[in-house]
Amino acid sequence: DTGVSQDPRHKITKRGQNVTFRCDPISEHNRLYWYRQTLGQGPEFLTYFQNEAQLEKSRLLSDRFSAERPKGSFSTLEIQRTEQGDSAMYLCASSPPLGKGSYEQYFGPGTRLTVT
Amino acid sequence: KNEVEQSPQNLTAQEGEFITINCSYSVGISALHWLQQHPGGGIVSLFMLSSGKKKHGRLIATINIQEKHSSLHITASHPRDSAVYICAVGRTSGSRLTFGEGTQLTVNP
Repeated sequence: DTGVSQDPRHKITKRGQNVTFRCDPISEHNRLYWYRQTLGQGPEFLTYFQNEAQLEKSRLLSDRFSAERPKGSFSTLEIQRTEQGDSAMYLCASSPPLGKGSYEQYFGPGTRLTVT
Repeated sequence: KNEVEQSPQNLTAQEGEFITINCSYSVGISALHWLQQHPGGGIVSLFMLSSGKKKHGRLIATINIQEKHSSLHITASHPRDSAVYICAVGRTSGSRLTFGEGTQLTVNP
C-alpha cells in the first residue's frame, strides 16, 4: 500500500503525558498537512509543510503542540502535557508538488487520541 | 458564521432514492472538494471541482462559482453509501482546506 500512513492508529494517554504521532506521506508528495477532528465536527487545520519548511500554523496549535518534518519526508506531531480537550482524531494529508498533477489531498487513516 | 456550511446535517434515505447534499461557502476559492468518511475515520476524496460538473459512477458533483454553492448527488442510493460526506474548500492552489461539518447519510435497505 503506497497511501498515506499514520502511526499509531489509536493512543490512550493520561492527562499531563506527552504523545507523539507520525505521518508518512505518499512518496514524492512535498506538501503535508495536519488536521484535527473532534466528534461530530469537520476537520480543522493545524499546520502545513512544504518540504521541510513549516509554512503555516493555525491559532489552534498552542505552545503545547509542535510539528516537524526534518527531511521533508515523514512528519511528527507532538502534544506536550495533554489535556482532555486534546482528545480527537488527528489526520494527516499529503499532496503532490504544485504544477505536478492534481491538487487533491490524500488523507491517512488518522490517529485517534483519547486523554483520560 | 462558518466559511463552509452544509445541509442537511443528517439524512436518512431508502435504498434506491436520489440524494442531494448541499454546500455553501462564503470565501473565494480555487477548488471545492467532496470527501467521504466512513466509521473509523478514514477520509476518501470523491471529487475536486473548480467549475461545472463531474460524474463518477452514481455520484455527481456540481458547482456554481457565482452563487458560491455546490451539490453532491447520489443516484440509486445503496446502504454501502452510508457515511459522512464532507465539503471542503481551498482558497488557493495547494492551500489548506476549510471543511464543513459534514452530512451523516444513512441509507436503509
